[in-house]
Amino acid sequence: DSGVTQTPKHLITATGQRVTLRCSPRSGDLSVYWYQQSLDQGLQFLIQYYNGEERAKGNILERFSAQQFPDLHSELNLSSLELGDSALYFCASSAGSNQPQHFGDGTRLSIL
Amino acid sequence: AQSVTQLGSHVSVSEGALVLLRCNYSSSVPPYLFWYVQYPNQGLQLLLKYTTGATLVKGINGFEAEFKKSETSFHLTKPSAHMSDAAEYFCAVSHTGRRALTFGSGTRLQVQP
Repeated sequence: DSGVTQTPKHLITATGQRVTLRCSPRSGDLSVYWYQQSLDQGLQFLIQYYNGEERAKGNILERFSAQQFPDLHSELNLSSLELGDSALYFCASSAGSNQPQHFGDGTRLSIL
Repeated sequence: AQSVTQLGSHVSVSEGALVLLRCNYSSSVPPYLFWYVQYPNQGLQLLLKYTTGATLVKGINGFEAEFKKSETSFHLTKPSAHMSDAAEYFCAVSHTGRRALTFGSGTRLQVQP
């Protein structure tokens, strides 16, 4: 158990819809990262938050957004969903600059 | 920019044989290097990491990796494969200016009885 909790585990929805993925980091970890894992793109970094502030952006689409709340949990919002958004979305957290990232079990998003 | 190349998308070994998974990286600054393992329907679990210091890094489950700057490599090895090692392995790189991980495409390890 990594200590990172992601909900829901599975999400099935239709094109054009909007979903919210939730992540609770390990106790004490200030940094939260979101990654997308798909068959064609592999594992890609989306966005990082540190103590409530956006710290870095990766290959995140404009239709996607995220935030980190005062209690340090984070949400990834995906809107106007397309078939190609079907993927496994991982959240990871870390304690500090030299510390490794610990991953949750992911949310599997299926767009029908 | 940084990148990771994992040679061999699939590797098959016999139980008890040496495991060698290859990883080469590209980074314009001193890298931090990681190996993660992913079992089916699970998240990524950290096997080992290199940040600074000793270039031979020991991780969990008997795995180790050696950072070779001259070869820009960070290959993962295990002397004797076990059936439970069957999984997908990812090499990743980051650095002080960019903590987000850049992953390789992964290597699926199959262990034959």
